[in-house]
Amino acid sequence: DGGITQSPKYLFRKEGQNVTLSCEQNLNHDAMYWYRQDPGQGLRLIYYSQIVNDFQKGDIAEGYSVSREKKESFPLTVTSAQKNPTAFYLCASSAFLGARTGELFFGEGSRLTVL
Amino acid sequence: GENVEQHPSTLSVQEGDSAVIKCTYSDSASNYFPWYKQELGKRPQLIIDIRSNVGEKKDQRIAVTLNKTAKHFSLHITETQPEDSAVYFCAASKSQGNQGGKLIFGQGTELSVKP
Repeated sequence: DGGITQSPKYLFRKEGQNVTLSCEQNLNHDAMYWYRQDPGQGLRLIYYSQIVNDFQKGDIAEGYSVSREKKESFPLTVTSAQKNPTAFYLCASSAFLGARTGELFFGEGSRLTVL
Repeated sequence: GENVEQHPSTLSVQEGDSAVIKCTYSDSASNYFPWYKQELGKRPQLIIDIRSNVGEKKDQRIAVTLNKTAKHFSLHITETQPEDSAVYFCAASKSQGNQGGKLIFGQGTELSVKP
């Protein structure tokens, strides 16, 4: 069954702790993305990667880090430097279509709550 | 950087009426404009998209129009049904050279269709 799997679905963290959200896809997509969803603010891009071992900052990268060591995996670490980390995090992927942007396929999301 | 503004933030219509959601974008080089639907508790899914070489696209009850001069695009849903109730996101991106572009999303519109 092809798709994107995010884990965990719910995560609680104490202030000062780093947490890592997992994102795995078996769609053979080249590009992967992390978005943060807050009420009334839409989906804001944190980081994206168009190829293995390469990634770029999005609009709200401060306090986050990523890695892309394998094509199918794009984990996101929320560090203690992120001042307001409580949010819903969505991972997505798309096929690399050269000059054409492709459809995004989203995971089911991870809800992070900082206690 | 690219900015996408979406209006209204909430929209309530009677079943059978039409609904229109509007978005404006800031980067005149943007050339891809998708719309995503997110039902309550579910992942966003692509419902329709349009590229800059087309002015209008229709798929059954939904249509999207693009005005490049004014830098705005709109989603039109006719004969609305209760299952159309969801949050709708517009987005914009530009492809450059041999690379697909990152998607920048609007703030979302919560559509409620009353039976």
